[in-house]
Amino acid sequence: LAKTTQPISMDSYEGQEVNITCSHNNIATNDYITWYQQFPSQGPRFIIQGYKTKVTNEVASLFIPADRKSSTLSLPRVSLSDTAVYYCLVGFSGGYNKLIFGAGTRLAVHP
Amino acid sequence: AAGVIQSPRHLIKEKRETATLKCYPIPRHDTVYWYQQGPGQDPQFLISFYEKMQSDKGSIPDRFSAQQFSDYHSELNMSSLELGDSALYFCASSSRGAGVTDTQYFGPGTRLTVL
Repeated sequence: LAKTTQPISMDSYEGQEVNITCSHNNIATNDYITWYQQFPSQGPRFIIQGYKTKVTNEVASLFIPADRKSSTLSLPRVSLSDTAVYYCLVGFSGGYNKLIFGAGTRLAVHP
Repeated sequence: AAGVIQSPRHLIKEKRETATLKCYPIPRHDTVYWYQQGPGQDPQFLISFYEKMQSDKGSIPDRFSAQQFSDYHSELNMSSLELGDSALYFCASSSRGAGVTDTQYFGPGTRLTVL
């Protein structure tokens, strides 16, 4: 499984756009990139998943360059409730696959 | 939409006791995963089941065992509990039949405290 590296922490203010970049130099051809959000004492929550280029859903966008060695989670206009830990995971998603959580990014959104 | 259900939500046990955690996956999901998250740590994969068969095994102690039943719910059995077993235990479920991407949906967790 590809190892991921992301910032330990980030700070932002309400209404700003937040971009969290994850490095995954050893990503394999069959690997997908998935982001989860976790609030304290709650289960991780799926945010977005992609393979290449750009994926957008109602809560976030995921940008993946052509070489796929990194990805950027973009959260538009964050609010205080977006304060959480964000995990970037890389792995083959064909069928079952355990999630290997690395050190996520602790995002703090300030008023 | 229905989510993953875990019970109990909180459990307090003494050292050397046993505990059983239950997980009810999202309807029509055929795969169940168990994760352990210690205080201040990231979730760690323990074990997974697909169609009632163990599909993968992670850092699960020998004192722990798990199974998936015919109705797809799963139970994590923990014996000879130690103080270090105090953690949040999450169950996640997914559907292999959903296609290539295998998104896991997590339950609210069971907080186990060993005294």
